[in-house]
Amino acid sequence: DAGVIQSPRHEVTEMGQEVTLRCKPISGHDYLFWYRQTMMRGLELLIYFNNNVPIDDSGMPEDRFSAKMPNASFSTLKIQPSEPRDSAVYFCASSVRRYNEQFFGPGTRLTVL
Amino acid sequence: KNEVEQSPQNLTAQEGEFITINCSYSVGISALHWLQQHPGGGIVSLFMLSSGKKKHGRLIATINIQEKHSSLHITASHPRDSAVYICAVRRPQGGSEKLVFGKGTKLTVNP
Repeated sequence: DAGVIQSPRHEVTEMGQEVTLRCKPISGHDYLFWYRQTMMRGLELLIYFNNNVPIDDSGMPEDRFSAKMPNASFSTLKIQPSEPRDSAVYFCASSVRRYNEQFFGPGTRLTVL
Repeated sequence: KNEVEQSPQNLTAQEGEFITINCSYSVGISALHWLQQHPGGGIVSLFMLSSGKKKHGRLIATINIQEKHSSLHITASHPRDSAVYICAVRRPQGGSEKLVFGKGTKLTVNP
């Protein structure tokens, strides 16, 4: 398996634009997690899915953020409209069981100008 | 005060030294995780433990639930161990669990 795949690896956009981050989890993993990492706050869990269903989105910062998982092999994290404070590295991870060994993707570095 | 505190924030060692990184938490937890983030940014899950000790190669993780404390030890450290080590705890929240992360410890091992 190729591991967790994220795209794009880098994204630079202007304030107000819509940003879509994509994730393909490892096949057979029932859990998918979206994280955000910043220098100030470290790693934060934004949302996680179980069998494509969002289970806990309490970490999603505000309504500008939304996440979907239309099928077992694909998830998106969308920010609309984006703001400079959204600049961070966004990681996707998947696991067989909820918080057991998670496999992280390489991350998407987002810069909002 | 953060729920998860790591110490030290930065650590520099010489190759071969024994390394200890500490993690203290202030809430009841169901488990604790140690993660490694490489200089290139990739994150690897090292350990998940809820009691006692786990060992993988030169890495050893221990946890003391009563004292709310965990340590990550690296024996015979090597420059390739240079990374940020992140502690995370799983704490109950409203019938589910929440994963709370420490800020990380940056380890540099010099040859």
